[in-house]
Amino acid sequence: DAGITQSPRHKVTETGTPVTLRCHQTENHRYMYWYRQDPGHGLRLIHYSYGVKDTDKGEVSDGYSVSRSKTEDFLLTLESATSSQTSVYFCAISESYSRAENIQYFGAGTRLSVL
Amino acid sequence: EDKVVQSPLSLVVHEGDTVTLNCSYEVTNFRSLLWYKQEKKAPTFLFMLTSSGIEKKSGRLSSILDKKELFSILNITATQTGDSAIYLCAAHTNAGKSTFGDGTTLTVKP
Repeated sequence: DAGITQSPRHKVTETGTPVTLRCHQTENHRYMYWYRQDPGHGLRLIHYSYGVKDTDKGEVSDGYSVSRSKTEDFLLTLESATSSQTSVYFCAISESYSRAENIQYFGAGTRLSVL
Repeated sequence: EDKVVQSPLSLVVHEGDTVTLNCSYEVTNFRSLLWYKQEKKAPTFLFMLTSSGIEKKSGRLSSILDKKELFSILNITATQTGDSAIYLCAAHTNAGKSTFGDGTTLTVKP
């Protein structure tokens, strides 16, 4: 998985609880992304980061926040989980130079269930 | 709003058939079009296309981009059961982010 580790891999939580998902990379890539994937929706971008402490919103950012204090770690937080956030979450990374930066490499995913 | 539309959404074929998957896009500051394959786990990279009319090829798979008409196609010849997967296309922008289509689910029957 191109040196990308997502944790936890599976999580079941209750509505209203905070949840943090972690993405750790060993590739020293500049860009990191969080996506969610739901049946029939492909991948939808939640937030992304183009450097340490540099983040921006994606198309489905409501209810999510992110932090990147180190190059290798990108955290996704659900402040108060809702059932609509039940999904599979993928982290991705891409390089910082030349056209190679367009190619994203994905982690194995985290399956989150909010009951 | 950036948009990527894939068609068909699902496709069932038999081994040996040839398939064509379509991807149209409307994004601001387009940079490249990428295809990924997803087999019950994380998507993996297939092709990146930046120039119109230049075919990228890898074994039985090939892809081409038309930047004037804003679409790309992915062809798979002599399909095998191992080609069964979700095929995703994504339009990447100069802002450093990609917009993905909903994917085409390909099922290849023996």
